Amino acid sequence: EAGVAQSPRYKIIEKRQSVAFWCNPISGHATLYWYQQILGQGPKLLIQFQNNGVVDDSQLPKDRFSAERLKGVDSTLKIQPAKLEDSAVYLCASSLAGQSMNTEAFFGQGTRLTVV
Amino acid sequence: DQQVKQNSPSLSVQEGRISILNCDYTNSMFDYFLWYKKYPAEGPTFLISISSIKDKNEDGRFTVFLNKSAKHLSLHIVPSQPGDSAVYFCAATLGKIIFGKGTRLHILP
Repeated sequence: EAGVAQSPRYKIIEKRQSVAFWCNPISGHATLYWYQQILGQGPKLLIQFQNNGVVDDSQLPKDRFSAERLKGVDSTLKIQPAKLEDSAVYLCASSLAGQSMNTEAFFGQGTRLTVV
Repeated sequence: DQQVKQNSPSLSVQEGRISILNCDYTNSMFDYFLWYKKYPAEGPTFLISISSIKDKNEDGRFTVFLNKSAKHLSLHIVPSQPGDSAVYFCAATLGKIIFGKGTRLHILP
């Protein structure tokens, strides 16, 4: 079974530029998450989708971050414009479960973003 | 506001001995707890979980203990092996997964 696919693996951009990350979850997984992991910290949930609907985006900086999951499968996360503090690893994860969360989430390898 | 806390940033354990990683939480409504393991340049991988209605779950060398009255859980790895060297994240669920900051485990030869 293929895992969660993310691209690109690495991205370096200048501040105020825009960037987009792509995620393909495990087939059949209804729930998709985007996490931001800053160096030395644990992953922080940015947004959670259930199929193509947003379940939780309370920690998404909506003035600069946006995400969509068209057709309830692939998802993209965009940052526009980027700030230095956005430098982090962006992790996508998926799970079978809905909001009951009694099954684990499977993570992709992440995209390491460096903003200079 | 850290709802899931891992107060030890790092831990070193001799190969063959027991590794004990600790985690505290503040929200008594969490319904599930999970441990993830992360190697450099890879995403976290699921290790073991425990329901809030249990106090112990065992899977091979890994055992998770839950003390609800103390809002504390721990992961025991015995015997520790070199491949166990990684960052371990404690996580809790309440509609979403909330992670601690992680503990880096070093297994010494």
